[in-house]
Amino acid sequence: GQQLNQSPQSMFIQEGEDVSMNCTSSSIFNTWLWYKQEPGEGPVLLIALYKAGELTSNGRLTAQFGITRKDSFLNISASIPSDVGIYFCAGQLIEYGNKLVFGAGTILRVKS
Amino acid sequence: ETGVTQSPTHLIKTRGQQVTLRCSSQSGHNTVSWYQQALGQGPQFIFQYYREEENGRGNFPPRFSGLQFPNYSSELNVNALELDDSALYLCARISGGNTEAFFGQGTRLTVV
Repeated sequence: GQQLNQSPQSMFIQEGEDVSMNCTSSSIFNTWLWYKQEPGEGPVLLIALYKAGELTSNGRLTAQFGITRKDSFLNISASIPSDVGIYFCAGQLIEYGNKLVFGAGTILRVKS
Repeated sequence: ETGVTQSPTHLIKTRGQQVTLRCSSQSGHNTVSWYQQALGQGPQFIFQYYREEENGRGNFPPRFSGLQFPNYSSELNVNALELDDSALYLCARISGGNTEAFFGQGTRLTVV
């Protein structure tokens, strides 16, 4: 089945630093989505990417859909304490009923 | 706010019992998906409903079943509960041309 390898598993950074995380797969995806999840909550959609090579920003967040359609990265610039949470990448295959395949998540902790 | 509401928020059941989890959306969306998220992992696709019919299923046994109603609310039923069924169960409404998934806050199920 499809698998997503997300890295790093966790990050502990200083407030103000930039953050980068990525996902790779052996499968080709039609859509890449990035989510953030906080304790006791469901995942919240941050950015959706639809085309290979697409670069999209949402405030301090920037994500790119890899040219090969097998990878994506998410950058967070100038991190702040409220960025703390678990970030998930998810790939979507239309031919599989639009199901999302999720990575294992990147735990982000920020020191203020 | 995603407009997706799940109930109950927490539930404790005994092994062998049956459970029904519920999901509703503020605005009508004819596609809903259910995911299981074990502790420390990304969500795993259970199944998807479109216009009251299942139209995609993940690698889950038949004791996981669902319903979608004409008002687009949905249920997830799990029979013969096992300890490994303990997880956060997430319901998502599908939007953006059947690509973007917006999640509820989840139901935390504990099987003892």
